[in-house]
Amino acid sequence: SQKIEQNSEALNIQEGKTATLTCNYTNYSPAYLQWYRQDPGRGPVFLLLIRENEKEKRKERLKVTFDTTLKQSLFHITASQPADSATYLCALGGDTGRRALTFGSGTRLQVQP
Amino acid sequence: ETGVTQSPTHLIKTRGQQVTLRCSSQSGHNTVSWYQQALGQGPQFIFQYYREEENGRGNFPPRFSGLQFPNYSSELNVNALELDDSALYLCASSLADSSYEQYFGPGTRLTVT
Repeated sequence: SQKIEQNSEALNIQEGKTATLTCNYTNYSPAYLQWYRQDPGRGPVFLLLIRENEKEKRKERLKVTFDTTLKQSLFHITASQPADSATYLCALGGDTGRRALTFGSGTRLQVQP
Repeated sequence: ETGVTQSPTHLIKTRGQQVTLRCSSQSGHNTVSWYQQALGQGPQFIFQYYREEENGRGNFPPRFSGLQFPNYSSELNVNALELDDSALYLCASSLADSSYEQYFGPGTRLTVT
C-alpha cells in the first residue's frame, strides 16, 4: 500500500541554523510533491511545489529537493527563526487525474531563540 | 490567510446523529476537496468536487457525502456519526487547469460523544 513517512519526532534546532526535514514514500509514483506548513488549530498553508522532473526548487529561505529514484524529498529552512516553529507536512499528488493529495503525518519543528 | 472559509468552527454531536459542514471557496476556484485530519495525523482525502460533480473519492464509507453548488461553495454531510469521526475537517479549494497548490480553510473541529 502507499506510504509516506515523515519523522514523527519533533525537530529542535537553534535560531539561525538550517532545518532539514525528510519525506520518504513507497508504492507511489507522484507527478509532484508539495510542502505545507500547519500551525496548531489552523489549516495547512502551501509553501512549495516540485514536479517529478525537477531536482530542486527554492523560495526565499526555503529549498526543496526531490529524488524520484530514492523516493525522497528534503525540505530545508535556512537561517531559521522562532516564527518558523510549526508542523510541516509533505504531500504527494498527480498519480491520478484528480488533484487529491496524499499527506504524510508531518514533522513538528521547534526553533529555539 | 486564504479566502477559504468554513462553518461552523466547532461542533459537538452525539453518536448516530447527522452533521453538515460548509465551505466557501476562494474566489475563482472551481475545485473543492475535503479532508479529515485526526489528531497528530496528516489530512486524509475524503472526496473532491469539480463543477458540481464528484471528481474522486478516498477510502471513506458512503455515509460521507458532499455537494458543490453553482457558486463553487460546498457541503460535507456525515450520517450515522461514529466516535472515530471526531476530527478536524478541512476544505481546500483550487483552480483546475492551473496550478496544483490547494488553499485550505481553517477547518471545522467535530467532536462526537
